[in-house]
Amino acid sequence: SAVISQKPSRDICQRGTSLTIQCQVDSQVTMMFWYRQQPGQSLTLIATANQGSEATYESGFVIDKFPISRPNLTFSTLTVSNMSPEDSSIYLCSALGQMNTGELFFGEGSRLTVL
Amino acid sequence: AQTVTQSQPEMSVQEAETVTLSCTYDTSESDYYLFWYKQPPSRQMILVIRQEAYKQQNATENRFSVNFQKAAKSFSLKISDSQLGDAAMYFCAYGSRQGAQKLVFGQGTRLTINP
Repeated sequence: SAVISQKPSRDICQRGTSLTIQCQVDSQVTMMFWYRQQPGQSLTLIATANQGSEATYESGFVIDKFPISRPNLTFSTLTVSNMSPEDSSIYLCSALGQMNTGELFFGEGSRLTVL
Repeated sequence: AQTVTQSQPEMSVQEAETVTLSCTYDTSESDYYLFWYKQPPSRQMILVIRQEAYKQQNATENRFSVNFQKAAKSFSLKISDSQLGDAAMYFCAYGSRQGAQKLVFGQGTRLTINP
């Protein structure tokens, strides 16, 4: 298994500002992902965080809005840029377990509220 | 692209009774994973049960079991002897064994346990 820590756990942000969410895994993992969960909705994949290279973004998500870094096999950051109220969501970091069973482990999520 | 559909936005069950949550999916792949995740109010995504598509035997984890019908692309979750702690959002998810191995989630079913 993998234990994933995210911070901040929650934050209230002003429109037009940017916030960076950090994700730390307690073991080296190959694949890390960032999901968004809008209020009352399901999880939507934002991007795959690739170690040492640019993230792979899903349709509807762009690097300028959601820049992602992954400097090593245990750490990643997601920045939500130039925030608007529509960005109010829970952002979840996840990682593929080392046993490669297909299971994703999740952090507790970061709840962002944009005023 | 793969899709996952949960047609029951909400379900409720009496404590100690049995409830079944439905899930259907669409894919052209022959080998893949299917999962049920639980998300309590704490936001932490917790794996409930996992099924590999090449296995005909339905997965079972204590009070949780699945009915996997590959030809029908159906993957339902049965919870026996429901407990108050089972109350949560339940998400069905599809995972490819190829490529980035990201998960695609259904819309979720909110399960309420009545004492």
